[in-house]
Amino acid sequence: EDKVVQSPLSLVVHEGDTVTLNCSYEVTNFRSLLWYKQEKKAPTFLFMLTSSGIEKKSGRLSSILDKKELFSILNITATQTGDSAVYLCAVVQGAQKLVFGQGTRLTINP
Amino acid sequence: DAGVIQSPRHEVTEMGQEVTLRCKPISGHNSLFWYRQTMMRGLELLIYFNNNVPIDDSGMPEDRFSAKMPNASFSTLKIQPSEPRDSAVYFCASSLASLGYTDTQYFGPGTRLTVL
Repeated sequence: EDKVVQSPLSLVVHEGDTVTLNCSYEVTNFRSLLWYKQEKKAPTFLFMLTSSGIEKKSGRLSSILDKKELFSILNITATQTGDSAVYLCAVVQGAQKLVFGQGTRLTINP
Repeated sequence: DAGVIQSPRHEVTEMGQEVTLRCKPISGHNSLFWYRQTMMRGLELLIYFNNNVPIDDSGMPEDRFSAKMPNASFSTLKIQPSEPRDSAVYFCASSLASLGYTDTQYFGPGTRLTVL
């Protein structure tokens, strides 16, 4: 059965800390992996990763994919309270079908 | 440019009633997706369309659920009859991707459905 597993499920840190969120997958017909951020509304797109070993970066967020070991990590440095959200990992199966993980609930305390 | 538009934003209904959720994708997008999000099961793909044609409906839970896309700017997801276990947030998303290609999916604000 196709699955995407995220860890940890919940994480509480202090403002300024660096966090690493994990996503492992076992999905047939893998095409790419996406990260989304979900606050109290719709998921918003962060990154799409297709190639192994190439880091994608946007401000304090970065992500990398390892297609041999079937996992990805999302790093957030110098966290801020506005980073508090659920972070979702999704694998694109075939061309367009997204298989989501359960999400990691990140809480940043001031 | 407006994002994906969904209506209603909240819906409360009684068991057995018909529920219709509506979605307007981003103009020019070729693909449209319906998702359901619950605490227990997370985000699950129900069905997706490409150029108004249903491509994969394997996620539709049962015959009570149906979806249509009569034109490029409108889609509906209907539940008839509704049951309490259908209570969830239903998201619509759209992307530029043509059939066989991958592109970013942009999500609408969701419809929170409560079936009493």
